[in-house]
Amino acid sequence: QSALTQPPSASGSPGQSVTISCTGTSSDVGGYDYVSWYQQHPGKAPRLMIYEVSKRPSGVPDRFSGSKSGNTASLTVSGLQAEDEADYYCSSYAGDNNYVFGTGTKVSVL
Amino acid sequence: EVLLVESGGGLVQPGGSLRLSCAASGFTFSDHYMDWVRQAPGKGLEWIGRTKNKGNSHVTQYAASVKGRFTSSRDDSKNSLYLQMNSLRTEDTAVYYCARDTDAALDYWGQGTLVTVSS
Repeated sequence: QSALTQPPSASGSPGQSVTISCTGTSSDVGGYDYVSWYQQHPGKAPRLMIYEVSKRPSGVPDRFSGSKSGNTASLTVSGLQAEDEADYYCSSYAGDNNYVFGTGTKVSVL
Repeated sequence: EVLLVESGGGLVQPGGSLRLSCAASGFTFSDHYMDWVRQAPGKGLEWIGRTKNKGNSHVTQYAASVKGRFTSSRDDSKNSLYLQMNSLRTEDTAVYYCARDTDAALDYWGQGTLVTVSS
């Protein structure tokens, strides 16, 4: 199972929006509505930010939103804040009880 | 408060074995699927395995990279998850996380334990 494709980096100024893409295939992202997004600060464990494409767990700011079109999922962070600077990973169910993560995107707040 | 605490990491020689543990608290452990994810130094996340709950016969699934070498198990009476790692390779060097799996999303993670495979 190949990793989902994410851009290596993305950036924006405070208050701006940034969107991260996550491209897979019809066997993973395109085939199931089980796409999740995780935020990871350096030296810390990942944190779930979005599940089932667009749902937010309790405690996650509504500045974070998710969507999907075809084989590509997206995470948008609106109103960027300094604490949003982190690595972000998408993940998708890939059938046959397997899961796959994305390659990761480093978000910088300029 | 949901808490997951991994232990058992360390330095092991290539070809060796290691057993990781994950102690869970703050939720009904037996109800949940549990997953293992690893992260090599400076690299991304890699899903490596999943152990279903008792209602699904504790069935496990593995990524191709560890299948046949790693075995995940659980003891619901001890609220614990285990990962037996055999025939370790240098490329297995990573921080290993256990995570609670809720509807195909990993909603709680441990702090991770570092496994270093080196001679």
